Amino acid sequence: EPEVTQTPSHQVTQMGQEVILRCVPISNHLYFYWYRQILGQKVEFLVSFYNNEISEKSEIFDDQFSVERPDGSNFTLKIRSTKLEDSAMYFCASRLTGSPFFGPGTRLTVL
Amino acid sequence: AQSVTQPDIHITVSEGASLELRCNYSYGATPYLFWYVQSPGQGLQLLLKYFSGDTLVQGIKGFEAEFKRSQSSFNLRKPSVHWSDAAEYFCAVGDPGQNFVFGPGTRLSVLP
Repeated sequence: EPEVTQTPSHQVTQMGQEVILRCVPISNHLYFYWYRQILGQKVEFLVSFYNNEISEKSEIFDDQFSVERPDGSNFTLKIRSTKLEDSAMYFCASRLTGSPFFGPGTRLTVL
Repeated sequence: AQSVTQPDIHITVSEGASLELRCNYSYGATPYLFWYVQSPGQGLQLLLKYFSGDTLVQGIKGFEAEFKRSQSSFNLRKPSVHWSDAAEYFCAVGDPGQNFVFGPGTRLSVLP
């Protein structure tokens, strides 16, 4: 069964450093998403991406965040200068027309 | 704006007992509705979804949910809970092409 994959599973970084979280969506999917979940809290929408551009983004997704689909298979989330409050589980998701399929997540720890 | 509420933060049931997790939503049109389960340290697994048609939908692991438009609800049920069902359950609402909004989650504990 096809699945969304994410790497790394756990990323530890120093405050102020740049991080890139990688996702490989399901190959024929058209819509791509990033969500995050701060420990013990709800899953929050960050951004959706369709047709090689951002289709919607939340207030959380400020200028420190960017997304890219560089080669038609990967979908990346970059945080330019990480803050302590960026520590969270980051989930990638993709969908064709129905329900989104979520990846296993990347746990980001900012020290 | 779309929103989802899950009134119960934490529910504890005995193994073998029935379960109902509540979900209420606010949405302008007929929404797409989902239930996801998250085991500790794991990702989100889709349990079931409602797009249209029969308002009682069956999912994996013996779960079902009923869409009630008049009550703006999509409650999740299971007739007999197993210890392995202990997890966090998230209700979500969305629309094709737009983002999906998740509820705050309900943590289910199962007593032996």
